[in-house]
Amino acid sequence: SQTIHQWPATLVQPVGSPLSLECTVEGTSNPNLYWYRQAAGRGLQLLFYSVGIGQISSEVPQNLSASRPQDRQFILSSKKLLLSDSGFYLCAWSNLGSYNSPLHFGNGTRLTVT
Amino acid sequence: QQPVQSPQAVILREGEDAVINCSSSKALYSVHWYRQKHGEAPVFLMILLKGGEQKGHEKISASFNEKKQQSSLYLTASQLSYSGTYFCGAMIYNQGGKLIFGQGTELSVKP
Repeated sequence: SQTIHQWPATLVQPVGSPLSLECTVEGTSNPNLYWYRQAAGRGLQLLFYSVGIGQISSEVPQNLSASRPQDRQFILSSKKLLLSDSGFYLCAWSNLGSYNSPLHFGNGTRLTVT
Repeated sequence: QQPVQSPQAVILREGEDAVINCSSSKALYSVHWYRQKHGEAPVFLMILLKGGEQKGHEKISASFNEKKQQSSLYLTASQLSYSGTYFCGAMIYNQGGKLIFGQGTELSVKP
């Protein structure tokens, strides 16, 4: 069966510090991968999505970046965190090329920027 | 591009029914519905593809009007466990697998 791992579960970082969140998927090949962010009490904002290694679409042109170094690994990074980067970060996967495939979410990372 | 959900919040008594609406200004391949409990990741409920398709999940069902790009989620005989925030997701034509979520509808079911 397929599983998705996301870590860390919680993170407290000072403003201006770097960030690296990692997500890996097991039990499937060539998945679509997604990063979403949810500010407190708000909706799910799509940050990045990827349909393959090296193919990443950015929805939020701010201080965040994403990379997909391996087929089932998706990394979210920042060189310098802002207070506004605080939130609940969710990684998700779906079957490649399928518009009727549900998204499966990881347990999320709760990031607090102080 | 974000689909619009209504209402933003609804409070029910156990056993009552509710409808949550989702509308997109873009042509859609499909509509997804998810439920999120406080502090947890969203959980998939169902996908609707096209042509007024209806699907059911326990006492939760949904419809999709492809011509109007509108979907509705129907919760009948609500249970306490139905409480949470419901999100519709729009899979937009020619945007290669990108799923955009509405702003969410907070549902509270009281005893």
